[in-house]
Amino acid sequence: EAQVTQNPRYLITVTGKKLTVTCSQNMNHEYMSWYRQDPGLGLRQIYYSMNVEVTDKGDVPEGYKVSRKEKRNFPLILESPSPNQTSLYFCASSWRGNTEAFFGQGTRLTVV
Amino acid sequence: QQQVKQSPQSLIVQKGGISIINCAYENTAFDYFPWYQQFPGKGPALLIAIRPDVSEKKEGRFTISFNKSAKQFSLHIMDSQPGDSATYFCAASARGGSQGNLIFGKGTKLSVKP
Repeated sequence: EAQVTQNPRYLITVTGKKLTVTCSQNMNHEYMSWYRQDPGLGLRQIYYSMNVEVTDKGDVPEGYKVSRKEKRNFPLILESPSPNQTSLYFCASSWRGNTEAFFGQGTRLTVV
Repeated sequence: QQQVKQSPQSLIVQKGGISIINCAYENTAFDYFPWYQQFPGKGPALLIAIRPDVSEKKEGRFTISFNKSAKQFSLHIMDSQPGDSATYFCAASARGGSQGNLIFGKGTKLSVKP
């Protein structure tokens, strides 16, 4: 089954404690992206990757890091989380940028 | 120029009615206009998409109308059902490089009353 898998689904952490949200896709897609979803603000792109070892900033990259060492994996790293990073996060993948994007189930992160 | 403006923010429709959600864009390089549907607790999923070589695309009860000169596109849901209650996002992207990123509207929460 074609899918994008994110882990964990829910996470509560404390300010400053480094965390990683994993994302994996099994469709051999080149494009992968991370979005955060906040009420009234829609889906805002954090980082994207057009292929292995190729990553770039989206609209709201501050406080986040990513890496793309393998085609299927695109982890999101918060080195020092802060409460304003409390949000719902989605990973997505697509064959190319302007083709159908498949989204993961989401990770609800709370930073206290 | 990268924005996609979506309206309304929320919409209440009676069962059997027509739901209409509108989006407008500025970047004339955009060549892919999808609509995503999101149910609570789920990730967005592609509902229907259009490219600018056609003015309308219909899939079942869902229709995209596209007006290239006005730089607007809209989603029409005919015979709206309670099961259509969800948040709908329009999006746009262009071919190639960083322009391939999907730019999303802020979403419309649709409630279909029985």
